[in-house]
Amino acid sequence: AQTVTQSQPEMSVQEAETVTLSCTYDTSESDYYLFWYKQPPSRQMILVIRQEAYKQQNATENRFSVNFQKAAKSFSLKISDSQLGDAAMYFCALINSGYALNFGKGTSLLVTP
Amino acid sequence: DTAVSQTPKYLVTQMGNDKSIKCEQNLGHDTMYWYKQDSKKFLKIMFSYNNKELIINETVPNRFSPKSPDKAHLNLHINSLELGDSAVYFCASSQEGYGYTFGSGTRLTVV
Repeated sequence: AQTVTQSQPEMSVQEAETVTLSCTYDTSESDYYLFWYKQPPSRQMILVIRQEAYKQQNATENRFSVNFQKAAKSFSLKISDSQLGDAAMYFCALINSGYALNFGKGTSLLVTP
Repeated sequence: DTAVSQTPKYLVTQMGNDKSIKCEQNLGHDTMYWYKQDSKKFLKIMFSYNNKELIINETVPNRFSPKSPDKAHLNLHINSLELGDSAVYFCASSQEGYGYTFGSGTRLTVV
């Protein structure tokens, strides 16, 4: 069984500031992938960042970076220099071989001017 | 040029009707999925097909029947629609190890 937990239903950040969204997971597999997806009001699911579990180096994509702590089963997303367009639902997700992508319940991010 | 396209985007129908949602991907991916997103935004896997073969079938009422005529298409047929079926349904495709590419979703409203 695998579970993904996002403990922050809502977060708020001011424009240009930095915010971190939390995610913890549980899996018995040693080989898996972790993702963050963004869902703006348009409802389109957009892949933000991807991390392979076997890689120790944290993934980064422009203003988005992760803090992957494999032993602690933690996978947080840091958004730097927040922009109004970052306002969305953010979903943490996990997949390992033979299973489908398993999502957390999401964190709603509000960006204030 | 849309990678994963699903139609229709919106569907309003009466209880008891039968409806279908179509999905097509032009990415050459082997695996396709149907997800349901409920009113609380929770995304749950319903079905997965790999090269036209059903590989994941979660606990879904048998009123829901997926059909995959080829690996680029995965349709979802729903019989005898109920109020509780109202949700957003997402189609997605993937190659192993990479993230899923999602369609834009179909908002189904049963009245």
